[in-house]
Amino acid sequence: QQQVKQSPQSLIVQKGGISIINCAYENTAFDYFPWYQQFPGKGPALLIAIRPDVSEKKEGRFTISFNKSAKQFSLHIMDSQPGDSATYFCAAKVGTGANNLFFGTGTRLTVIP
Amino acid sequence: ETGVTQSPTHLIKTRGQQVTLRCSSQSGHNTVSWYQQALGQGPQFIFQYYREEENGRGNFPPRFSGLQFPNYSSELNVNALELDDSALYLCASGAGGSGYTFGSGTRLTVV
Repeated sequence: QQQVKQSPQSLIVQKGGISIINCAYENTAFDYFPWYQQFPGKGPALLIAIRPDVSEKKEGRFTISFNKSAKQFSLHIMDSQPGDSATYFCAAKVGTGANNLFFGTGTRLTVIP
Repeated sequence: ETGVTQSPTHLIKTRGQQVTLRCSSQSGHNTVSWYQQALGQGPQFIFQYYREEENGRGNFPPRFSGLQFPNYSSELNVNALELDDSALYLCASGAGGSGYTFGSGTRLTVV
């Protein structure tokens, strides 16, 4: 079964707008929540990550919001640009041992000029 | 340039055959993990190697096996290929913790 559920499947945003992608999880043992960006023909690249001891983390135009009680986390992309058009994956894992990341199914973001 | 190189980039195999995919990590990356990404899906964890030993495995059958070498290279071997094995295979390497770098993957098509 899908351990991390991601929505929406696709998203179209105007240039300068805010892109929001949501994820939910069930396993309360997860303690690391990264977001990856993937361009066609490339592997996923780590964008930003958060641990459950904080509710928000911001890096440039990218912000993760984390709600531990609801077991949800989201990615906000501010001032979205056409170059942000890619597929975004949320993921989660337990501990710092094996790199056993559980990925969501991905969101294809298109930013139109 | 990610520092993680995978070869070949594309491969076509026949059902029942065996395949070996290769990954070259950057120096110092003693941990490598392999993922399978089916079309339109997120990557799924196959297994991980740390200092040449498997130390974690996902829900994949034994016909998926691997090797890690002292020179920071590694292999993913798949025996008795099935049509459903068609996917992008990704390796990710790191030096522990959570900072793993993915390669661009090998696109395997089984016909």
